[in-house]
Amino acid sequence: EAQVTQNPRYLITVTGKKLTVTCSQNMNHEYMSWYRQDPGLGLRQIYYSMNVEVTDKGDVPEGYKVSRKEKRNFPLILESPSPNQTSLYFCASSSLTGGVDGYTFGSGTRLTVV
Amino acid sequence: GEDVEQSLFLSVREGDSSVINCTYTDSSSTYLYWYKQEPGAGLQLLTYIFSNMDMKQDQRLTVLLNKKDKHLSLRIADTQTGDSAIYFCAEIHGNKLVFGAGTILRVKS
Repeated sequence: EAQVTQNPRYLITVTGKKLTVTCSQNMNHEYMSWYRQDPGLGLRQIYYSMNVEVTDKGDVPEGYKVSRKEKRNFPLILESPSPNQTSLYFCASSSLTGGVDGYTFGSGTRLTVV
Repeated sequence: GEDVEQSLFLSVREGDSSVINCTYTDSSSTYLYWYKQEPGAGLQLLTYIFSNMDMKQDQRLTVLLNKKDKHLSLRIADTQTGDSAIYFCAEIHGNKLVFGAGTILRVKS
């Protein structure tokens, strides 16, 4: 089954403790992206990647890092999480920047930073 | 700018039609999308429309595109309780999908 898999689904952590949210896709997509979803703000892009070793900032990159060492994986790293990073995070992938298939989204990771 | 705007809330009775409206800014967008998010779930692509189309129909869903006014709408015919969700319109802007804030659709039985 074609899918984007994120882990974990839920995470509660403390301020300053480094964490990684994993994302993997099995569709051989070149394009991958991370979004955060906050009430009333919709989804905002954090980082994206056009291919292996090619990453770039989205609209809200501060406090986040990503890497793209393999085509299928695109982890999101929070080196020193803060409470304002409490949010719902989605990973997405696409064969192009859009197209008739749009983006395929993971099920989301709900992060709480206390 | 790259704002996509939607009304935040819509309430309809079961069996009625729902119309969710959206305005976008990037006139060069090739595709425009509607996504559905059910409670506790990710985003599911509902439908898309290519920018050279005015209308697209897919079973109970009708998408209308007015390029002059940069207005997109999603009509759901015979709305069911299972249609209760958040609906996002999105446009391609450069290398990303830009989303509206989402419209909460509540269906009353």
